[in-house]
Amino acid sequence: NAGVMQNPRHLVRRRGQEARLRCSPMKGHSHVYWYRQLPEEGLKFMVYLQKENIIDESGMPKERFSAEFPKEGPSILRIQQVVRGDSAAYFCASSTPGQGDTEAFFGQGTRLTVV
Amino acid sequence: QQQVKQSPQSLIVQKGGISIINCAYENTAFDYFPWYQQFPGKGPALLIAIRPDVSEKKEGRFTISFNKSAKQFSLHIMDSQPGDSATYFCAASITWRGSQGNLIFGKGTKLSVKP
Repeated sequence: NAGVMQNPRHLVRRRGQEARLRCSPMKGHSHVYWYRQLPEEGLKFMVYLQKENIIDESGMPKERFSAEFPKEGPSILRIQQVVRGDSAAYFCASSTPGQGDTEAFFGQGTRLTVV
Repeated sequence: QQQVKQSPQSLIVQKGGISIINCAYENTAFDYFPWYQQFPGKGPALLIAIRPDVSEKKEGRFTISFNKSAKQFSLHIMDSQPGDSATYFCAASITWRGSQGNLIFGKGTKLSVKP
């Protein structure tokens, strides 16, 4: 059973370009969370999605950031017109609630560098 | 009120010693308190988690102590080993329909266990 898969592992973008980060949840998991981690900092919640539905986007910046989790395929975190301050590690986690286990499993992360 | 405060920022322990990391929270609605271990370049991995209806939970060398009235919880690592050297994060959330909800993370404690 493969874990949470994120790609790419490393992404370099120039200022103003778009960044697309992908997250394939664990098999059978229908909930995905995205977190951002700045160097030497804890993780900050961004968005919580079910398939085809955003449950909680209270941590998402109002502009340039969007996320989706379609019925088929991976969850995508999209950052338009990237700026240097977007440089961070982005982690997704997946879970399957309702089976008595609250745990969410994290992927290895995508390290975005904006140059 | 959404913060989780973690201390110390860094910790050096001799092999075989006890590592203790503390966290405090404000929001009494939190009902899930996990601890995560993160190695450089990796995603966080769940170590152990506790609900507020118990005061202590032990799994192997790892113990969570939970003080509901003081709104504090701590991680104890017994017989610390060099392989435990990592960054540890406490977190808290309000669970939602069996899901962990969005986790509020502490800023992390960098643990070094000296041989």
